[in-house]
Amino acid sequence: AQKVTQAQTEISVVEKEDVTLDCVYETRDTTYYLFWYKQPPSGELVFLIRRNSFDEQNEISGRYSWNFQKSTSSFNFTITASQVVDSAVYFCALSEGYTGRRALTFGSGTRLQVQP
Amino acid sequence: DAGVIQSPRHEVTEMGQEVTLRCKPISGHDYLFWYRQTMMRGLELLIYFNNNVPIDDSGMPEDRFSAKMPNASFSTLKIQPSEPRDSAVYFCASRAGLTGNEQFFGPGTRLTVL
Repeated sequence: AQKVTQAQTEISVVEKEDVTLDCVYETRDTTYYLFWYKQPPSGELVFLIRRNSFDEQNEISGRYSWNFQKSTSSFNFTITASQVVDSAVYFCALSEGYTGRRALTFGSGTRLQVQP
Repeated sequence: DAGVIQSPRHEVTEMGQEVTLRCKPISGHDYLFWYRQTMMRGLELLIYFNNNVPIDDSGMPEDRFSAKMPNASFSTLKIQPSEPRDSAVYFCASRAGLTGNEQFFGPGTRLTVL
């Protein structure tokens, strides 16, 4: 069965610090997809990025970057020069490819607090 | 294009009452998902549909919960009778096509059962 673990329950940083949110996953499928979603205090779930299991290239989008390593089953998310607006709960999620579950399995989330 | 629409945004009801949550997916999306978010269990899948057909309802807690998708633009999640432990935020999401595509979430319905 699939599983997503976000071991960090809550992280607090001061503005402009860099912060990395960890995500470890388990799946038996060889084809799978990984996602990060942001849930700000307003409550909606906002899609940030997806990665498929065949693409281990890291990605950078502005202050956000993602590091996917199949060898360690990890898909970590780094925010550079954090800002107060980054304060939110961040969820890592997994969906499986051809034979597994097509819906998202979420981790428990990491609450990020960025202090001014 | 409008995003996923859910109604009502907030619902307060008394134990034993019937509750109906509604969702309109993004036009053209052929997958629709219902998730529930609680402090204890986090975000968990309840059921999902593909082309209006239920595919996986293994997350539906018990017979008190039922979901329908009569057409491509509308789905309901019904709880009858409701219980205090059903209090949660219920999200609807939709997706176009392949498993690897992202799901777009509605704003959620916050349900409180007294």
